[in-house]
Amino acid sequence: AQSVSQHNHHVILSEAASLELGCNYSYGGTVNLFWYVQYPGQHLQLLLKYFSGDPLVKGIKGFEAEFIKSKFSFNLRKPSVQWSDTAEYFCAVNGYQKVTFGIGTKLQVIP
Amino acid sequence: GAGVSQSPRYKVAKRGQDVALRCDPISGHVSLFWYQQALGQGPEFLTYFQNEAQLDKSGLPSDRFFAERPEGSVSTLKIQRTQQEDSAVYLCASSAQGPNNSPLHFGNGTRLTVT
Repeated sequence: AQSVSQHNHHVILSEAASLELGCNYSYGGTVNLFWYVQYPGQHLQLLLKYFSGDPLVKGIKGFEAEFIKSKFSFNLRKPSVQWSDTAEYFCAVNGYQKVTFGIGTKLQVIP
Repeated sequence: GAGVSQSPRYKVAKRGQDVALRCDPISGHVSLFWYQQALGQGPEFLTYFQNEAQLDKSGLPSDRFFAERPEGSVSTLKIQRTQQEDSAVYLCASSAQGPNNSPLHFGNGTRLTVT
């Protein structure tokens, strides 16, 4: 069975601070990895994805994530957050057909 | 183009009532998923369709939950004899191919409250 663990459930940052959200997964085979974001009042949308190739993946709005296979990790980073990044962030893994989500991290950016 | 559409947006049901939740995926998308998201939790997988075939229903919590996609497009999630623990947001997502090849596109969800 596959599972996802997100370490930080609620993060508060000031604008321009750097962000790193942890994500670890459990699955024995080849995986696809995702970060989804849910802005207040909106639906879940894809932030970035890793299917294969370069383990450093760049997404929308300046976000990036690095797949480290040996650590079963896919941490999300952004060098300088903005107030508009306030949202809930979900890490997800797909090993076989089913996409499994983490519990989510609520990010609050203070102007 | 149009995204994934779910209806109704909100549904209040009395305990014991049956409910039906509808999902219109993006046109042409092969795969369709249903998820349940309780308050403060991440989406939990319920079931997965590839075209009209239900390939995985391992996440359905009980035999009161039933999903169908008879023509490989619109899908309905039915919950019989609703219980208070069924209160959650029900999310539908579609993808162009299988989940191994393309990401999920989500609808806004249906918020079900069972009183």
